Amino acid sequence: RKEVEQDPGPFNVPEGATVAFNCTYSNSASQSFFWYRQDCRKEPKLLMSVYSSGNEDGRFTAQLNRASQYISLLIRDSKLSDSATYLCVVKLEYGNKLVFGAGTILRVKS
Amino acid sequence: DTGVSQDPRHKITKRGQNVTFRCDPISEHNRLYWYRQTLGQGPEFLTYFQNEAQLEKSRLLSDRFSAERPKGSFSTLEIQRTEQGDSAMYLCASSSRDRGTEAFFGQGTRLTVV
Repeated sequence: RKEVEQDPGPFNVPEGATVAFNCTYSNSASQSFFWYRQDCRKEPKLLMSVYSSGNEDGRFTAQLNRASQYISLLIRDSKLSDSATYLCVVKLEYGNKLVFGAGTILRVKS
Repeated sequence: DTGVSQDPRHKITKRGQNVTFRCDPISEHNRLYWYRQTLGQGPEFLTYFQNEAQLEKSRLLSDRFSAERPKGSFSTLEIQRTEQGDSAMYLCASSSRDRGTEAFFGQGTRLTVV
């Protein structure tokens, strides 16, 4: 079983739609959680950290459920520029490596 | 601060040759990571340095792979006797403990083994 699992998609949505991505992780010792965004042939960039209480940044909302070992990302009012691969990332309590999921592809169309 | 810099951006090599990649992290970042990414996959952890000390190595890092960070600044990743399966994007990232755990990635070195 992979340490971090994501639905690969692609999610094809029209502009203005709301879309949600899910992610599960296998190691209960995971301590920190993030969503990274990766554009085609570019490096991953941090989109947002995910906190236990949930957090929002503009059109983006992230949720964490430690009991179910589940992370989500909600994007409201999708823009063409949101088209990218969204990577779910966890960091264990010990050690320093970030463990990435395979990513979910989002395509927003006009 | 120009971000994480990697060199070269692209490398084509014949099977069996040795290659070396360089990473210059964001200045004063004490943590440096190497990852490998293949098409359709997320980045896979290879190794991690804190200052000049190599603290973690993945089992993916076979004895053909070696990484160094001699003065705690730039790092090199060498692959000996390259194989076609080594073809991938090699990403370097750095972070500073003082600024939490956000890792900043370089643009990567794309390796093609022919």
